[in-house]
Amino acid sequence: AQSVTQPDIHITVSEGASLELRCNYSYGATPYLFWYVQSPGQGLQLLLKYFSGDTLVQGIKGFEAEFKRSQSSFNLRKPSVHWSDAAEYFCAVVRYNTDKLIFGTGTRLQVFP
Amino acid sequence: DTGVSQDPRHKITKRGQNVTFRCDPISEHNRLYWYRQTLGQGPEFLTYFQNEAQLEKSRLLSDRFSAERPKGSFSTLEIQRTEQGDSAMYLCASSPGTSNQPQHFGDGTRLSIL
Repeated sequence: AQSVTQPDIHITVSEGASLELRCNYSYGATPYLFWYVQSPGQGLQLLLKYFSGDTLVQGIKGFEAEFKRSQSSFNLRKPSVHWSDAAEYFCAVVRYNTDKLIFGTGTRLQVFP
Repeated sequence: DTGVSQDPRHKITKRGQNVTFRCDPISEHNRLYWYRQTLGQGPEFLTYFQNEAQLEKSRLLSDRFSAERPKGSFSTLEIQRTEQGDSAMYLCASSPGTSNQPQHFGDGTRLSIL
């Protein structure tokens, strides 16, 4: 069965520092992968997606993610974090033959000034 | 593009009552999804529609839950005889339904059962 693991429940960084959020997936075929961000009490906003092609994907708000098939990973990165990036981040994979999203448990990002 | 709209944003009700939520997808999106999110967890799939047809239901969707999309536009999710465990955020998403198109989410309806 497909699954997504986000090993870090909570991460704290200083504003201006670099960021990497980890995501590992379990999936037999080439996955469709996504990163979403959720602010408190809000819905999910798509940051970026990977379907095929270039393994380094650029998204909104200065985020990027790299698909590494050998490591079954799709880590999210940002070179310099802003205080407004504080939120919950979810990695997701689409289940084969449907487009039902399977989410990880999320990583909560806290940013200190 | 007005985005996915959900109503109400918050619902507080007593255990045993029935509740209904509405979702208006992005116009011309023919796929519509419902997810449930409990505190500290990622969203979990409940059900989805292709136009007016309900194509898949999760085992999470007990007999007390019913979803409809009668004209292939807006959708409703009803929970009958609510229980404490139904307290969650209910998220709706839509997509064009073609390949390589992601789902766009609404802001959700937060349900609190007293």
